[in-house]
Amino acid sequence: SQQGEEDPQALSIQEGENATMNCSYKTSINNLQWYRQNSGRGLVHLILIRSNEREKHSGRLRVTLDTSKKSSSLLITASRAADTASYFCATARGKLQFGAGTQVVVTP
Amino acid sequence: DTGVSQDPRHKITKRGQNVTFRCDPISEHNRLYWYRQTLGQGPEFLTYFQNEAQLEKSRLLSDRFSAERPKGSFSTLEIQRTEQGDSAMYLCASSKQLNSGNTIYFGEGSWLTVV
Repeated sequence: SQQGEEDPQALSIQEGENATMNCSYKTSINNLQWYRQNSGRGLVHLILIRSNEREKHSGRLRVTLDTSKKSSSLLITASRAADTASYFCATARGKLQFGAGTQVVVTP
Repeated sequence: DTGVSQDPRHKITKRGQNVTFRCDPISEHNRLYWYRQTLGQGPEFLTYFQNEAQLEKSRLLSDRFSAERPKGSFSTLEIQRTEQGDSAMYLCASSKQLNSGNTIYFGEGSWLTVV
C-alpha cells in the first residue's frame, strides 16, 4: 500500500512560476524524502527532511514538514522547462514507501 | 548516473517464460531494495536486503517472485511463469542504513513487457 499521497496529481505551469505540491502520510516516520522522475527513467533524490526538522532548502527547492498534520510540501521556485517530471514523496521507516506522485509540466 | 546499475534495461518475454533481472548496487551500500512501478503510479516496495539477509518481503511478492543477494553484493530478481500483469518497470536501489537519514539511490530500472 502507498504510504504517501501527493496532491495535486498533475500540475501545469509556465516557466518562471512557482510549483507547489503536497504530500500526506499515515504513520510515524524517521524522515521524508522527495524524488524526481523523468519519463521512463529512474528516480533522482532531491531532498531529505528529518522528522525533527520543519523546513529545508536546496537551491530552488524548499521543503516543509508538519509531523502533527503528517504532511509535507515541496516548492519549486522560478520553474524551468527542465523541471518537467513526476515528483514523489517517500516516507522512511526501514524502507521507503512512495505515493502516486505529482506530474509537473512546465511550458516555456 | 547514480552508480546503481541494472541489467537488462528492457526485456520482452512471452507469457509463461521466466525472466531474471540483475542489480549491482553502489559498492559501499549494505542495503539493496527492489521496487516495481507501473505507468502513472509510484514505485511499490517489493523487498529489501541488508547485506545478504532478506529482511522484508511485500505481499506483492507472490510465490512466482524470488530475490537473492548471495554475497551481499549484487542481487537478482527472478519472475517465474510470467503473466501480463507482471509488465512493469523493476527498480533497484541501494543505500547505507536508511533510518539514520541516508539517501537511497535508484538505478535506471528494467522494463519488462510480457506479451
